Amino acid sequence: RKEVEQDPGPFNVPEGATVAFNCTYSNSASQSFFWYRQDCRKEPKLLMSVYSSGNEDGRFTAQLNRASQYISLLIRDSKLSDSATYLCVVSLAPPGGYNKLIFGAGTRLAVHP
Amino acid sequence: SQTIHQWPATLVQPVGSPLSLECTVEGTSNPNLYWYRQAAGRGLQLLFYSVGIGQISSEVPQNLSASRPQDRQFILSSKKLLLSDSGFYLCAWNLGTGGYEQYFGPGTRLTVT
Repeated sequence: RKEVEQDPGPFNVPEGATVAFNCTYSNSASQSFFWYRQDCRKEPKLLMSVYSSGNEDGRFTAQLNRASQYISLLIRDSKLSDSATYLCVVSLAPPGGYNKLIFGAGTRLAVHP
Repeated sequence: SQTIHQWPATLVQPVGSPLSLECTVEGTSNPNLYWYRQAAGRGLQLLFYSVGIGQISSEVPQNLSASRPQDRQFILSSKKLLLSDSGFYLCAWNLGTGGYEQYFGPGTRLTVT
């Protein structure tokens, strides 16, 4: 089983649509959670951290359910510029080790006019 | 503010040739540094990380090596490239005393022919 699993998509949605991405992680010791955005042939960029209480940044809302080991990202009022791959990321700190990030393979979003 | 540079941006190398990729960070001191590889259509794979000068930890056995000769310089090398070394190489940094999110450089796209 992959440590971080995401639906690869693609999600093809019209402008203005609301779209939700889901992610599950396998290690209950995971400590921090993030969503990154990666444009085609570019580096990943931090979109937002995910907190247990849920958090919102403009049109983007992230939720975390530790009991179910599930993370979500909701994008409202989709824009053409939202087209990208969204990476779900968790951090792990094994005993005696350093805190490492585990990346999901990403969910591709294509927003069309 | 902090910036991270990588070069070259693209590279085409024959099988069996050597490799040297460089990453430098500006605007911070004593960062943690990371090398990742992203194969076409795949997730990010952590290759090496470093918490200080001369301190390198390897995540995956392979024909690559890393070095950190200066605080803000991280180098990825190979003596003989394999076809399977093709991919998008990304350098990232964060601060050990800060949050766990990492910030990526623009990457080097390597094609081994």
